[in-house]
Amino acid sequence: DAKTTQPNSMESNEEEPVHLPCNHSTISGTDYIHWYRQLPSQGPEYVIHGLTSNVNNRMASLAIAEDRKSSTLILHRATLRDAAVYYCILRSNDYKLSFGAGTTVTVRA
Amino acid sequence: DAGITQSPRYKITETGRQVTLMCHQTWSHSYMFWYRQDLGHGLRLIYYSAAADITDKGEVPDGYVVSRSKTENFPLTLESATRSQTSVYFCASRRPSTDTQYFGPGTRLTVL
Repeated sequence: DAKTTQPNSMESNEEEPVHLPCNHSTISGTDYIHWYRQLPSQGPEYVIHGLTSNVNNRMASLAIAEDRKSSTLILHRATLRDAAVYYCILRSNDYKLSFGAGTTVTVRA
Repeated sequence: DAGITQSPRYKITETGRQVTLMCHQTWSHSYMFWYRQDLGHGLRLIYYSAAADITDKGEVPDGYVVSRSKTENFPLTLESATRSQTSVYFCASRRPSTDTQYFGPGTRLTVL
């Protein structure tokens, strides 16, 4: 399975944007880039996904590099409820998700 | 209510015992998955199922057995529990129209 690389942790102030980078240099042409987050003591929660074009939804934006070897999840205005572990995942053709260690996001009030 | 549920939420068992973790979803999603998450780590795929009676191994299948006789249920059995299987187990189902996985609340299993 193709792998992703993320920073271990990031900190942000409340109501400021958060940019979470992800490297996936071995991505194949058919791999979708998915982001999930996991709040403390909960199961993972879907955030956003994309293939080639940038994507926006009510939770976040996903910016995908032109060569698709990296992407950035953008939380436009972080709140305390956004404190979680964020996982960048390459979804394979058989729909399996391979979770790495993720990035722990801390939001300061 | 629609959703995905897991039972039990907490389980303590002893080494060598058989344990079955239950997963139920109300959406009739075809794909279902079992993951385990060890303390401080990401999730690892144990088994997955593309439909009733179709299952396949994931990354860490040893020591586990699954079955799927009905679309809505996907039980995971530890045939002879070991301490290394102490973990939090998450079940998920995939919604095809949005290509998203919905996760249950998890079962915290402790093997003494």
